[in-house]
Amino acid sequence: NAGVMQNPRHLVRRRGQEARLRCSPMKGHSHVYWYRQLPEEGLKFMVYLQKENIIDESGMPKERFSAEFPKEGPSILRIQQVVRGDSAAYFCASSPGQGLSNFGPGTRLTVT
Amino acid sequence: DQQVKQNSPSLSVQEGRISILNCDYTNSMFDYFLWYKKYPAEGPTFLISISSIKDKNEDGRFTVFLNKSAKHLSLHIVPSQPGDSAVYFCAASSSGGTSYGKLTFGQGTILTVHP
Repeated sequence: NAGVMQNPRHLVRRRGQEARLRCSPMKGHSHVYWYRQLPEEGLKFMVYLQKENIIDESGMPKERFSAEFPKEGPSILRIQQVVRGDSAAYFCASSPGQGLSNFGPGTRLTVT
Repeated sequence: DQQVKQNSPSLSVQEGRISILNCDYTNSMFDYFLWYKKYPAEGPTFLISISSIKDKNEDGRFTVFLNKSAKHLSLHIVPSQPGDSAVYFCAASSSGGTSYGKLTFGQGTILTVHP
């Protein structure tokens, strides 16, 4: 039973480009959470999605960031017009419902 | 507003001794607390948790204590092993509704266990 998968593991973007981060939850998990970890900090909640629905996006920056979890396929975190401050590790977690989340290995985004 | 705080950025202990990692929280709505362990370039791995209706939970070498009145929890590792060296994150959530599963993390404590 494969764990939560994230790709790419490392992503380098120039300022102004778009970044797309993918998360494939564990089999049978329909709840996905995205977290961001800035250097020297803890993980910060960004968004909680279920299939085709955004449940809680209270941690998402108001501009440039969006997330989706379509009926088929992985969850996508999209960052438009990236800036240097977006450089961070982005972690996805999944759960079958109101239970413990399993974390993926993360995507390390570097904006140059 | 840091609702979950780990005030010790690092901790160094000798193999075989006890490691005590501390965590404080401010939000009274939190009723479920977790500890995660994280190695570099990997995602956090669940270690142990405790519900607010308990004051202690034990799993092998790991014990978590919760003091609700002080809004404080601690993780004890006995005996500490070099393989325990990692970053430890305290996290909290409130059950019910859409917030369950949404975690608020502390800043982390780097534990180093010396042979």
